[in-house]
Amino acid sequence: DADVTQTPRNRITKTGKRIMLECSQTKGHDRMYWYRQDPGLGLRLIYYSFDVKDINKGEISDGYSVSRQAQAKFSLSLESAIPNQTALYFCATSDSRGSHEQFFGPGTRLTVL
Amino acid sequence: GQSLEQPSEVTAVEGAIVQINCTYQTSGFYGLSWYQQHDGGAPTFLSYNALDGLEETGRFSSFLSRSDSYGYLLLQELQMKDSASYFCAVRNTGRRALTFGSGTRLQVQP
Repeated sequence: DADVTQTPRNRITKTGKRIMLECSQTKGHDRMYWYRQDPGLGLRLIYYSFDVKDINKGEISDGYSVSRQAQAKFSLSLESAIPNQTALYFCATSDSRGSHEQFFGPGTRLTVL
Repeated sequence: GQSLEQPSEVTAVEGAIVQINCTYQTSGFYGLSWYQQHDGGAPTFLSYNALDGLEETGRFSSFLSRSDSYGYLLLQELQMKDSASYFCAVRNTGRRALTFGSGTRLQVQP
């Protein structure tokens, strides 16, 4: 079984709709991240959480919100989706007690029409 | 803020050696990481440098010069499966998360 899972893997929605992307991990890591990837722009950090009570904005948090429901779950919401939020979204985890490695989920491809 | 620069594309032949450079600007530098991403896949961790010098892991090596705000990833004995995008990323002491470069697309030709 995958250590970091994301649901859904693909989603097509319409402008103005509310969307939630979910991330779960079985690695026992305390830190979780949401990134967005657009062609030619690399990975940009949306939000990150260093434990259940610690939520931080990244460089592009406008239009997004997150919830850390448990140590293993970190969800990303688009309250009112717009076309320029069409992108590939990755969740990642890391262990504050371990190496500097971040472990990425398989990604969610979101299209906003 | 943070900024990183790396070449957008590099082409090399199978069996050759290729170096992907990364220059960065950040305050309170903590470390430089490298990630690999194949088309349609997720990024995977390759290496991390916090101190000056070369770190070697099999065919891949990573170098850091803190005084020059510069690092590189060295790939030796290139294989077709090395065709992928490579990202450098910095972490600084103030901001507790990574900032990624835009990525270098490596194409390995037979």
